[in-house]
Amino acid sequence: EVQLVESGGGLVQPGGSLRLSCAASGFTFSSYWMSWVRQAPGKGLEWVANIKEDGSEKNYVDSVKGRFTISRDNAKNSLYLQMNSLRVEDTAVYYCARDGFNGWDKDDWGQGTLVTVSS
Amino acid sequence: QSVLTQPPSASGTPGQRVTISCSGSRSNIGRNTVNWYQQLPGTAPKLLIYRNNQRPSGVPDRFSGSKSGTSASLAISGLQSEDEADYYCAAWDDSLNGEVFGGGTKLTVL
Repeated sequence: EVQLVESGGGLVQPGGSLRLSCAASGFTFSSYWMSWVRQAPGKGLEWVANIKEDGSEKNYVDSVKGRFTISRDNAKNSLYLQMNSLRVEDTAVYYCARDGFNGWDKDDWGQGTLVTVSS
Repeated sequence: QSVLTQPPSASGTPGQRVTISCSGSRSNIGRNTVNWYQQLPGTAPKLLIYRNNQRPSGVPDRFSGSKSGTSASLAISGLQSEDEADYYCAAWDDSLNGEVFGGGTKLTVL
């Protein structure tokens, strides 16, 4: 059974940093692109970033470029999101998702971790 | 404002058929496949339709998807109370070099 478990969320002040982790199990982690998707309170889904199977290619939504860094450790079956210079508008539930083999379909999702940016 | 446009709400009575539209542009829906997600209250999203019209195993055939040009739609037939959820369309955007989601449609079963 595929499992994706996020951790690392919490309360942080504007301008602060946070590192999210996603522990994957139940599948060959190194064979899949992986993504982070966020959802602000009461709002819709927003794709944040993705990373290729071997970590050699990464893409980001414009609003986080230069502030967030996606990475992975295939030996540890883990995905990460380093978030720096956090803003109030980054407040959201952050989901880790596995990208399937069918045109960026996200065929499995974690339960999400809440990041709150507030003074 | 989302790159893909969905109606904010839709509704129907049990047994009815409802459709949810998703409008995009040449750089996203026009060139790439569309996926649909269902998000039940308080839960993570779940893949409902991939590659425009394919259902993952376990998704009832009451759910169907289609795409034409720069638009796509999700149809739900034989509406059930458990279908009450938020529905999102998504596609890769070649111009933005990123994935884009619709703003979501809240489906109410009356």
